[in-house]
Parts: sequence; structure tokens; C-alpha cells
Amino acid sequence: NAGVTQTPKFQVLKTGQSMTLQCAQDMNHNSMYWYRQDPGMGLRLIYYSASEGTTDKGEVPNGYNVSRLNKREFSLRLESAAPSQTSVYFCASRGLGEKLFFGSGTQLSVL
Amino acid sequence: SQQGEEDPQALSIQEGENATMNCSYKTSINNLQWYRQNSGRGLVHLILIRSNEREKHSGRLRVTLDTSKKSSSLLITASRAADTASYFCATDGSSYKLIFGSGTRLLVRP
Repeated sequence: NAGVTQTPKFQVLKTGQSMTLQCAQDMNHNSMYWYRQDPGMGLRLIYYSASEGTTDKGEVPNGYNVSRLNKREFSLRLESAAPSQTSVYFCASRGLGEKLFFGSGTQLSVL
Repeated sequence: SQQGEEDPQALSIQEGENATMNCSYKTSINNLQWYRQNSGRGLVHLILIRSNEREKHSGRLRVTLDTSKKSSSLLITASRAADTASYFCATDGSSYKLIFGSGTRLLVRP
């Protein structure tokens, strides 16, 4: 089982460029999440999807959009990247067991 | 601001010693979870304690929860160099959101 797969692993953008981070899980989980982690800090919730067809804002949603494409996939889009969005982005999923399963992260630099 | 705040921010101990990390939170919860993160990697779930539980054990891990004080502690007994990592608490309220604390960086010296 692959678990939670994120692509790409690394990305460098220029200010104002757009990009989409992809996330897919193969565990048939209902809920999916996007977090960002800045150096030396904890994770902050950007958006989450409690179930297919629903999305909700987390702690720091400004500058981001999400799409729950189907039960497996949950993408995060930066429409106009800013240096403040330089971070490591983690996708996670959760089934009935309540614990989160994390992907390996996307390291994003915005110059 | 983040729901959970952990202390200490950093902890350095000798192999074989016990490590204790604390987490305080602000709102009511259904459960509280602890995760571990090795440098540059994703987080891995360690243990979950429900709001109606006071203590839980898993191997060398012991977690306590005091809902009246809105606090939890994670104890790692007989630490090993391989326990070196960052540890985070996460609170699970009523809306599917899991909110993480700021973490404790643990260094176990051989």
C-alpha cells in the first residue's frame, strides 16, 4: 500500500506564479487535510475535507484553494504564490480510526 | 493561534533517562493525539487518548489527560537515541479538524 502520496516533492516558484499540489490516498479514507509547516514550527491547518464533496477552511486558508476531486484525491492550489507561502506542505487522510496518515511532504520555495 | 501549546520547546536527555513533554489546549476536545516527526519527514501517529480517559499506555509511552486543566503529558521511558525527533500533540474537537501544537524537539544523547 502506498498510503498517502504527494506530488511534487520539491518545487520552486517565482512570486505570482500558480501551482497545484496533488495528494492521493489509497486507504478509502473519508477525510483529507492540507497542513503547512514552517521551519521549527508545528503544523497549521489550511483546508480540510470531512468527506467527498465537502471542503472547509482551517486556520490559515488565505491564498489557497482546494478541490476534493473524488474520494481519493484532494488538491491544493496556490493562485498567485507569495514568499510567505514558502513552507513544507503535508497532506493527510483519516478514516474511521481517527488517526491521521501523512504524506511525505512537498517542500515549496517562493522567490 | 494554535490550539495546542507544548513545553518544553526543546529537551535534551541522556539515553536511558525518561522524557516528559506537556501539551496545553484551549477548547473542549473529543480526543487528543500525539505524533512524532523525524527530521524532514511526515508525522507518524503514536497514541490517542479520549476525553473520558485519564491515562493510556503503549509500550514505552504513557499519556495522561486532564480535561479540567486542558492539558496532556507524554512520557517516554528508558529513552533511546532513536527516539530523537519532534513530538506534537493534536486536539480533535467536534468538526473533523485536528489542530496541532507547536511541538517539542527531543534530543537523546547516546
